[in-house]
Amino acid sequence: ETGVTQTPRHLVMGMTNKKSLKCEQHLGHNAMYWYKQSAKKPLELMFVYSLEERVENNSVPSRFSPECPNSSHLFLHLHTLQPEDSALYLCASSQERSSYNEQFFGPGTRLTVL
Amino acid sequence: RKEVEQDPGPFNVPEGATVAFNCTYSNSASQSFFWYRQDCRKEPKLLMSVYSSGNEDGRFTAQLNRASQYISLLIRDSKLSDSATYLCVVSLHAGGTSYGKLTFGQGTILTVHP
Repeated sequence: ETGVTQTPRHLVMGMTNKKSLKCEQHLGHNAMYWYKQSAKKPLELMFVYSLEERVENNSVPSRFSPECPNSSHLFLHLHTLQPEDSALYLCASSQERSSYNEQFFGPGTRLTVL
Repeated sequence: RKEVEQDPGPFNVPEGATVAFNCTYSNSASQSFFWYRQDCRKEPKLLMSVYSSGNEDGRFTAQLNRASQYISLLIRDSKLSDSATYLCVVSLHAGGTSYGKLTFGQGTILTVHP
């Protein structure tokens, strides 16, 4: 596997379910990100992990809970979501340097909350 | 005011046409600038970075005007395969951090037709 992978690619869940999204990067990067992309809205940064430490939480509701067990893996745990949380959830990684930080994205998980 | 603002389009152009996209950003402290491309139902991918002196990559030319906080992308000799959403992205290293916080515009839709 190369690049950034995400599983599952599609997920349908009820509001009372608990599920987790998984992201894995094979690029040796030291920062990982979760983004949300809703229809007709810009990508919204949710969380940033740098060197496995959460460094940014962009006012995300607590029903979204990230976990970064090591520099290659990132999870997003979901519980008691709302229909408006239906969106494409994208994971990205980058190798942080002082001024250049190209981010590589995974294919995303398309989430539908019923 | 949106942090990164783009004309959403859509732009519909014939093959071979030249098309230009504009973008403005609100944070004068922004440090790095990019154009990403996102195909339908796919993840964003870096198209090119934007440097202060302007830069060219084949048929694509990017320009940056820091004084006006304005970024542009010019596509010459459009191909059918250029059809996609083009995302203007700016990066800020907040508070001396090592990671970059990317802020995305909502994207400009381009359709190139035969």
